[in-house]
Amino acid sequence: DAGVIQSPRHEVTEMGQEVTLRCKPISGHNSLFWYRQTMMRGLELLIYFNNNVPIDDSGMPEDRFSAKMPNASFSTLKIQPSEPRDSAVYFCASSPNRDSPLHFGNGTRLTVT
Amino acid sequence: GQQLNQSPQSMFIQEGEDVSMNCTSSSIFNTWLWYKQDPGEGPVLLIALYKAGELTSNGRLTAQFGITRKDSFLNISASIPSDVGIYFCAGSSNTGKLIFGQGTTLQVKP
Repeated sequence: DAGVIQSPRHEVTEMGQEVTLRCKPISGHNSLFWYRQTMMRGLELLIYFNNNVPIDDSGMPEDRFSAKMPNASFSTLKIQPSEPRDSAVYFCASSPNRDSPLHFGNGTRLTVT
Repeated sequence: GQQLNQSPQSMFIQEGEDVSMNCTSSSIFNTWLWYKQDPGEGPVLLIALYKAGELTSNGRLTAQFGITRKDSFLNISASIPSDVGIYFCAGSSNTGKLIFGQGTTLQVKP
């Protein structure tokens, strides 16, 4: 089991640029979650999918943020345009179903200058 | 909205000492989870609790799901240097959303 795979591990971009973060969940897991971690706000749930369908996106901070899950093995989180305050570590997590514990990837550290 | 208060915020202890940390919630949770995060990595599940009053151990770790369903604690016995990290509690209710506490940073002095 390779675990949840996120890419890239680090992303440095300039303000205004588009950023796309990628996630491959654990095979067979039906639920996928995107979290953002900052010192000030801790771990915040942005959005989660169940069977590739977005269930709750109330944590997505603004229209600049969008997430997709075109199939069971791939999800993206896109920020367009990016801003310095978007700098954070973004985690993807998956679980067999929405009531099971989450398995986290190692995150993407995003820095927007 | 739902909030979790985790304490203490940080701990600096001597190797061999026992550690205790807890989380309280303003609302009832159906599940309590405890995670540990090492630098540069994602949180890793330590213990999962599914029933009020449940007491579960995982090696030197013991966690309990409070009777009121609004709190949980994690104990680490005989701490060792590799216990260093950030410990998070997390709870979920009927909404299925997993809410995380702010974390307890543990440092262990050899």
